[in-house]
Amino acid sequence: NAGVMQNPRHLVRRRGQEARLRCSPMKGHSHVYWYRQLPEEGLKFMVYLQKENIIDESGMPKERFSAEFPKEGPSILRIQQVVRGDSAAYFCASSLLTSGTQAKNIQYFGAGTRLSVL
Amino acid sequence: AQKVTQAQTEISVVEKEDVTLDCVYETRDTTYYLFWYKQPPSGELVFLIRRNSFDEQNEISGRYSWNFQKSTSSFNFTITASQVVDSAVYFCALSEWETSGSRLTFGEGTQLTVNP
Repeated sequence: NAGVMQNPRHLVRRRGQEARLRCSPMKGHSHVYWYRQLPEEGLKFMVYLQKENIIDESGMPKERFSAEFPKEGPSILRIQQVVRGDSAAYFCASSLLTSGTQAKNIQYFGAGTRLSVL
Repeated sequence: AQKVTQAQTEISVVEKEDVTLDCVYETRDTTYYLFWYKQPPSGELVFLIRRNSFDEQNEISGRYSWNFQKSTSSFNFTITASQVVDSAVYFCALSEWETSGSRLTFGEGTQLTVNP
């Protein structure tokens, strides 16, 4: 009964490179959320996706950041041309929403990817 | 706009002491959910509890208990007879039903250290 799987756990990039962070939701979950935790801070919402759709990207930086959740495979958070300020822990969460009742459900988190930009 | 405040940045106690972590929230929605998550030193986030805005009953789970009071917009978390393994950062979070969809708004977290 695997939980939310994120990889890699640690990622080191030099300024200007691209970072790709992957997230496989819990089995049966079709809703994925990405959050960023800057050093010594709480988590900040970035984006909410369902399969093949971006539902809410109000927390995403306007440039260099993108996210997808394809029909097959994991969700990907992509950061182009990374800068030192992108160094943070990136957490993915997944949830199961009951479409009939629109009931809110619990978001279960992965272990995070720690991105370090040199 | 929604906001969660955890005024206690760090708390240090000795094992077996009781400790309460405070959480105050702001929202204009009448339907919302409150959560507590634990982040141990290993870094993952562990779900602890979810409450909806219509259920003000206090909840107890083993050594953990939660006190939800709408009158003061607070959702405090108490650990009874604390243990070293309780050392972690604890986050309170809010999810508004009507205005902000599914996203969670987190407080800044409280670092709890339980010393032997």
